[in-house]
Amino acid sequence: DSGVTQTPKHLITATGQRVTLRCSPRSGDLSVYWYQQSLDQGLQFLIHYYNGEERAKGNILERFSAQQFPDLHSELNLSSLELGDSALYFCASSVRGRGGLGETQYFGPGTRLLVL
Amino acid sequence: AQSVSQHNHHVILSEAASLELGCNYSYGGTVNLFWYVQYPGQHLQLLLKYFSGDPLVKGIKGFEAEFIKSKFSFNLRKPSVQWSDTAEYFCAVNRAGGGNKLTFGTGTQLKVEL
Repeated sequence: DSGVTQTPKHLITATGQRVTLRCSPRSGDLSVYWYQQSLDQGLQFLIHYYNGEERAKGNILERFSAQQFPDLHSELNLSSLELGDSALYFCASSVRGRGGLGETQYFGPGTRLLVL
Repeated sequence: AQSVSQHNHHVILSEAASLELGCNYSYGGTVNLFWYVQYPGQHLQLLLKYFSGDPLVKGIKGFEAEFIKSKFSFNLRKPSVQWSDTAEYFCAVNRAGGGNKLTFGTGTQLKVEL
């Protein structure tokens, strides 16, 4: 158990819908990262938040957005869902993540999203 | 663009066989290197990491990896695999100036047969 929690574990929804995935980082970690794992794209970085502020964006679609709250938990919002958004969404956390090296990211159990 | 290559997509070994999984990256600057393992139906777990210092790093469950800077490689090894090592293995790189994002390889699916 990494100490990173994600809810829900599984989510089944229809095309065009909107869902929210939740992540709680390890105690004391200020950074939260979101990754998408799909069969065709592999593991891809989506977005990074540090202490409530967006720090970096990766291959995140405009239909997707995220935020990190004052208690440091984070939510990933996926809207206008398409079949191709079906994937495993992982959250990871690290202590600082202000841009320097020498940090380890610890991953949560993931949310498996199925869009029908 | 930075990329991470894992050349072996599927590996099948018998128990007690030795394992070596290749990982190469394309970035020439300072990097941090990681190997993560994903057991069936589970999340990514850190096996080992290299930040600096001794290029031979030891991780959990008897795994080790060697960083060879001149070859841009960070290969994972285990002298004797067990059935319980059946999993998918991912190499990941975090580079200086690249923010904190991890760039992952495509993964190697390892199956260990009894």
